[in-house]
Amino acid sequence: DQQVKQNSPSLSVQEGRISILNCDYTNSMFDYFLWYKKYPAEGPTFLISISSIKDKNEDGRFTVFLNKSAKHLSLHIVPSQPGDSAVYFCAANLGGGGTSYGKLTFGQGTILTVHP
Amino acid sequence: DGGITQSPKYLFRKEGQNVTLSCEQNLNHDAMYWYRQDPGQGLRLIYYSQIVNDFQKGDIAEGYSVSREKKESFPLTVTSAQKNPTAFYLCASTTGIGDTQYFGPGTRLTVL
Repeated sequence: DQQVKQNSPSLSVQEGRISILNCDYTNSMFDYFLWYKKYPAEGPTFLISISSIKDKNEDGRFTVFLNKSAKHLSLHIVPSQPGDSAVYFCAANLGGGGTSYGKLTFGQGTILTVHP
Repeated sequence: DGGITQSPKYLFRKEGQNVTLSCEQNLNHDAMYWYRQDPGQGLRLIYYSQIVNDFQKGDIAEGYSVSREKKESFPLTVTSAQKNPTAFYLCASTTGIGDTQYFGPGTRLTVL
């Protein structure tokens, strides 16, 4: 049962334009969401996060939007740069304490390619 | 420099052998995690530990074992019972609830 899904395996964007990466989830108990960027043969790097009490969080060129009613989040990168080319994973965290806290559930990832 | 180290970067093993992957952190994080990544897939949780001397199975724990004798260290043993051990293994740590997990550089294990 895939609780976090990234339905687009890849996305190709021209430099300077907006990149929009999407993520859907099924578990309404998730209360914290993160985006990671990953290059081949390296560990993921944290990019940006959002708590379920918010619907938007911005950090420079990166903005994450959360639509709880639709169980959907998206990452916007504006403007896109060739160095942004990587695999992007969304992840979700269960709250509420107990043995499940701190565990992240990851989507399958989306390969972003930004063309010069 | 604070961070998470994993060694070795590349590891080769003959079928039927156990192998242990190292993960060390000097971030003073309480919780540590082991993930596996296969081509075209997301990260899947193998084991995690929230405090020393305690650990929990993740989603794909079969064929793996861990120990957490020290806060800084969380080694993962891939046993001969793991049917498809060839993968990229990632270790992560975090301070606790809701906090961001920080990842090590990973170990690529290839079974020959």
